[in-house]
Amino acid sequence: QSALTQPASVSGSLGQSMTISCTGTSSDVGGYNYVSWYQQHPGKAPKLMIYDVSDRPSGVSNRFSGSKSGNTASLTISGLQAEDEADYYCSSFTSSSTRVFGTGTKVTVL
Amino acid sequence: EVQLVESGGGLIQPGGSLRLSCAAAGFTVTTNYMSWVRQAPGKGLEWVSVIYSGGTTYIADSVKGRFTISRDNSKNRVYLQMNSLRAEDSAVYYCARALGSLLEYWGQGTLVTVSS
Repeated sequence: QSALTQPASVSGSLGQSMTISCTGTSSDVGGYNYVSWYQQHPGKAPKLMIYDVSDRPSGVSNRFSGSKSGNTASLTISGLQAEDEADYYCSSFTSSSTRVFGTGTKVTVL
Repeated sequence: EVQLVESGGGLIQPGGSLRLSCAAAGFTVTTNYMSWVRQAPGKGLEWVSVIYSGGTTYIADSVKGRFTISRDNSKNRVYLQMNSLRAEDSAVYYCARALGSLLEYWGQGTLVTVSS
């Protein structure tokens, strides 16, 4: 199972919006509405930010939103804040009943 | 409060075996899906394995035949038995409680270093 493809890095200014893409295949992202997104700060465990493509867990800011089109899922962060600077990973259920993560995206807030 | 605490990591020689343990608190492992995820130093997350509440298990191709996930209901723990370890298995190993395909709670991880 190959990792899902994400851009290595994305940067944006405070208050701006940014979108991170996550591209897979019809055997994972495109085949199921089971895409989740995780935020990871250095030295910390990942934190769930979005699940089932676009749902937000309780306590996660509504500045984070998710969507999907075909084999590509996206995470949008609006109103960028300094604390959003972190690594972000997408994940999907697969046709083999395993899970697969994306390659990860480093978000820098300018 | 949900808590997950991993243990069992350390330095091990190539070809050796190690068993990681994940102690759960605040819920019962037998009624939840439990997963292991690893992260090599400076690298991304890699899904390793899952055990369903009914006992069905799935494992990543990269470790199939070498790693096994299991649980002990009486101790409320989940384990990852790792055999024939290789240098590329060196990573922080996280235990996570899964809800379907999402990983809602994570432990702080345990570091495994495979080196001679």
